[in-house]
Amino acid sequence: RKEVEQDPGPFNVPEGATVAFNCTYSNSASQSFFWYRQDCRKEPKLLMSVYSSGNEDGRFTAQLNRASQYISLLIRDSKLSDSATYLCVVNPLTGGGNKLTFGTGTQLKVEL
Amino acid sequence: DVKVTQSSRYLVKRTGEKVFLECVQDMDHENMFWYRQDPGLGLRLIYFSYDVKMKEKGDIPEGYSVSREKKERFSLILESASTNQTSMYLCASSLLGQASFQPQHFGDGTRLSIL
Repeated sequence: RKEVEQDPGPFNVPEGATVAFNCTYSNSASQSFFWYRQDCRKEPKLLMSVYSSGNEDGRFTAQLNRASQYISLLIRDSKLSDSATYLCVVNPLTGGGNKLTFGTGTQLKVEL
Repeated sequence: DVKVTQSSRYLVKRTGEKVFLECVQDMDHENMFWYRQDPGLGLRLIYFSYDVKMKEKGDIPEGYSVSREKKERFSLILESASTNQTSMYLCASSLLGQASFQPQHFGDGTRLSIL
């Protein structure tokens, strides 16, 4: 089983739609979780951290379910500019120095 | 804003050459990382360092070495480049924080082609 698993997509949605991605992780001791966004041929950029209580940043909401070992990202009112690959990232707390494990990403395409 | 700078955006080298990829960060971060990213495989950790002169193997260290002589600089070395090392290479840095809630900040990446 992969440490971090995501549906690769692509998710093709119309502008204005609400879309949700899930990501599962295998290490129950993992303590920190992030969503990164990566545009084509660009570097990953931090979108948001994911906290136990869930957190919201504008149109984006992240949730953590420790019992089922998954995190989710909800995007409301999708914009064309949201088209990107979304990477689920987990700190498994193995090794030193804040090592992170990246999922392979879910591709989102927002269309007119 | 954190700035992570990689020395080259695009690089073409020949099989057997020794290749140096340089990365510099300006935020006094303790941790630095080198990844490669390939289609369908995502980001894979090659090496990381959490202090000057310290290094740890990541998931795919074979064929690579690293150097961290100064806190702000982390170099990736391909000892004898091979065609299967053609990839996008990404450098990242982060703080060595407690509770590990420290995201990583990435450079623009280097697209390396080995001919």
